[in-house]
Amino acid sequence: EVVLTQSPGTLSLSPGERASLSCRASQSVSSSNLAWYQQKPGQAPRLLIYFASARATGIPDRFSGSGSGTDFTLTISRLEPEDSAVYYCQQYGTSPKYTFGQGTKLEIK
Amino acid sequence: QVTLRESGPALVKPTQTLTLTCTFSGFSLITPGMSVGWIRQPPGKALEWLARIDWDDDKYYSPSLKTRLTISKDTSKNQVVLTMTNMDPVDTATYYCARLNNPPGAFDVWGQGTKVSVSS
Repeated sequence: EVVLTQSPGTLSLSPGERASLSCRASQSVSSSNLAWYQQKPGQAPRLLIYFASARATGIPDRFSGSGSGTDFTLTISRLEPEDSAVYYCQQYGTSPKYTFGQGTKLEIK
Repeated sequence: QVTLRESGPALVKPTQTLTLTCTFSGFSLITPGMSVGWIRQPPGKALEWLARIDWDDDKYYSPSLKTRLTISKDTSKNQVVLTMTNMDPVDTATYYCARLNNPPGAFDVWGQGTKVSVSS
């Protein structure tokens, strides 16, 4: 079973800065099967990135995804206060089976 | 506009069976490649995938919960139903249904979720 480990657990940055969120897989993951979600308090998750680097519909270009194999990164440039949220990576494996990371909480100071 | 909405009991007792309904609009589950999945989130914890049903009625379950879960669909009503047997307090969570389309091959539209507590 693929385990996704996200780091850091919490990230505190200021508006205008850049955030880099890491997602590491316990074994190689196809880039076609890696997604990122944003979840704000009291809300459902929202798809940000799929296929590791493709932005979902309506997602601003401040959000970008990269990586391959076991290391993936979500980068948020020019942080805005509304980017405060928990971010989850998710992979889609064989069987099929979906696994989520434990999340990174992003705080905008 | 694609929407999904979960419904079901807010409170169930231990050992009871939970039945949740996902009512959706804006897409059809008879469209090739379309799927609906269920995901849950215990309070303050991460997301956990539970089950998925495809347009052709293929069904997939989380290995750890497979023996307790049943997913089905009613395409005439645009509904997907998830049942979970032998509920336990650790099953207390917000339960979400979400559309799975390809592309993007990920859960691209989510319902608002329904909170389920398990307590005697």
